[in-house]
Amino acid sequence: DVKVTQSSRYLVKRTGEKVFLECVQDMDHENMFWYRQDPGLGLRLIYFSYDVKMKEKGDIPEGYSVSREKKERFSLILESASTNQTSMYLCASRQSGQRQETQYFGPGTRLLVL
Amino acid sequence: GDSVTQMEGPVTLSEEAFLTINCTYTATGYPSLFWYVQYPGEGLQLLLKATKADDKGSNKGFEATYRKETTSFHLEKGSVQVSDSAVYFCALSDNTGNQFYFGTGTSLTVIP
Repeated sequence: DVKVTQSSRYLVKRTGEKVFLECVQDMDHENMFWYRQDPGLGLRLIYFSYDVKMKEKGDIPEGYSVSREKKERFSLILESASTNQTSMYLCASRQSGQRQETQYFGPGTRLLVL
Repeated sequence: GDSVTQMEGPVTLSEEAFLTINCTYTATGYPSLFWYVQYPGEGLQLLLKATKADDKGSNKGFEATYRKETTSFHLEKGSVQVSDSAVYFCALSDNTGNQFYFGTGTSLTVIP
């Protein structure tokens, strides 16, 4: 059974802290994604990665960075957390170049920035 | 560019009612179409998909047919249950397989 795991389900941080959200997939997928989900706004793509050490900005990259040193792991970094980054963060992975393939999602991390 | 538009929510239905959630898309070539479901406090999971025109995806009593002539992929279920309460997302994978687009989600609440 395919699996995408995220390091935390719930996280509480203070404004200005550096925050790391980790995502691991066990399917050998090339593509990995970070989204944030807010009420009324649906899913918004923050960053995605096509391969190790490759990254591309999504729709809302400001205030975030990412790291992909190994194929199975994709990290989202909030360099200096702010209250407007309070949200649900979802990681996903997918086989590249296969239009019929689905994205597989982790359970999400609900981040609260105080 | 490619995009997905889905019906605004929230939707509230009584148990055993008929459900339709509309989804239309804009795309070049031959996209694949998906419906995802998100139960409270969880990530998204694939509900069903269709990869070519006139295909019907089905799962757990839900169905959707890929209609190229109307560029639609409406989700239907004949008799909803309380356990179907969730947020439903329509999505599209473009012709190349490298881009993925989500609708904004439709919240469904089923009351006994």
